[in-house]
Amino acid sequence: KNQVEQSPQSLIILEGKNCTLQCNYTVSPFSNLRWYKQDTGRGPVSLTIMTFSENTKSNGRYTATLDADTKQSSLHITASQLSDSASYICVVSPGTPEKDSSYKLIFGSGTRLLVRP
Amino acid sequence: EPEVTQTPSHQVTQMGQEVILRCVPISNHLYFYWYRQILGQKVEFLVSFYNNEISEKSEIFDDQFSVERPDGSNFTLKIRSTKLEDSAMYFCASSEEYLVATLGEKLFFGSGTQLSVL
Repeated sequence: KNQVEQSPQSLIILEGKNCTLQCNYTVSPFSNLRWYKQDTGRGPVSLTIMTFSENTKSNGRYTATLDADTKQSSLHITASQLSDSASYICVVSPGTPEKDSSYKLIFGSGTRLLVRP
Repeated sequence: EPEVTQTPSHQVTQMGQEVILRCVPISNHLYFYWYRQILGQKVEFLVSFYNNEISEKSEIFDDQFSVERPDGSNFTLKIRSTKLEDSAMYFCASSEEYLVATLGEKLFFGSGTQLSVL
């Protein structure tokens, strides 16, 4: 069954510190992996998108890594800010890049990050 | 940055009533989607829509649900006879091109409509 699992469920860090969030997936075949940030009561906002051939992608203080062999991804946040407090969701697109495939993005449960002053 | 806008932000309805959730996708986008998130659970795909027809739908999207693009700007989700378990945050999303074929295509979400069925 196609699943996306994230850890930890929640995390509290001090402002200025770094943190790493984990994502494991069993989706196969696999097209791309996305990380989203979701503020409470808001829609998810895209942070990074990586295809199966990419190992890393950065967006400012956010760096995502992908190991397609082990089906693992991580999101590293550097020098955290109070505004980073949100849920971070790992999302996987099933299918292969050669074939138009499903719109059915598979979402993880998210990691709730709280950055404290 | 352009936004997907959804109205209303909150909707309270009685079980068995019909509700229509409205969305205005980003103007040059061609692909439209509805997702929902039950409180404390994962975001779930409902339906995708292109060229005035449904491209794909999930098992959740049964006969009680329908989507429509009544004019050039709005995209609506109708639930004909709401059930308690329909209570959720409903997100509309849009993308400029085919979501997965281009590999890097961004999906833009609205802020959601919180539907409460009493």
